Amino acid sequence: EVQLVESGGGLVQPGGSLRLSCAASGFMFSSYDMHWVRQATGKGLEWVSGFGTAGHTYYADSVKGRFTISGENARNSLYLQMNSLRAGDTAVYYCARALVGITRTNWYFDLWGRGTLVTVSS
Amino acid sequence: DIQMTQSPSTLSASVGDRVTITCRASQSISSWLAWYQQKPGKAPKLLIYKASSLESGVPSRFSGSGSGTGFTLTITSLQPDDFATYYCQQYNTYPATFGQGTKVEIK
Repeated sequence: EVQLVESGGGLVQPGGSLRLSCAASGFMFSSYDMHWVRQATGKGLEWVSGFGTAGHTYYADSVKGRFTISGENARNSLYLQMNSLRAGDTAVYYCARALVGITRTNWYFDLWGRGTLVTVSS
Repeated sequence: DIQMTQSPSTLSASVGDRVTITCRASQSISSWLAWYQQKPGKAPKLLIYKASSLESGVPSRFSGSGSGTGFTLTITSLQPDDFATYYCQQYNTYPATFGQGTKVEIK
């Protein structure tokens, strides 16, 4: 079955760290750019970070310098290391498979996981 | 960043109705627009890409149109399974940005 399964969410204090994982199955993980998209409760979708097939990484300005995305083809897995967490980072984090548009830095998302909730609170 | 604005924010409709949702971009995005459906507690689902291309497996009652800065998602003959929130997303210019969503409610 083609699917993405996220894990690693939880409650963390402001300033703390958390590492999210996304396990892919049913498709050739190494052939796709993979991304994280988040959604605060009752809010819209916000692109967070992307990992290209050639190892390039991309970050939203709101997380640049605090979050690190990585991928491991041998394990068909995507990761998001989140440091210096803030209350504004509280959201469900979705792992998403990307298809490329006109250039390598333009994506839309054809497969999503069910998400993992990150809560940043004291 | 390109701003995506959807209207209306909420739409009340009945089963069988024709429904149209509008998405406007703050600058031209050609046809690089996707539409997603999201139900409560679930992940978004891709419906339309490149403004008017129907994703495999999506019912033909869904259609998309537009180019430049104005786009529409139309659902002909609304079905009970279609009550959800719909998002547009531009992928013409980095970074990808989403509209704020349109909730389709039961009238």
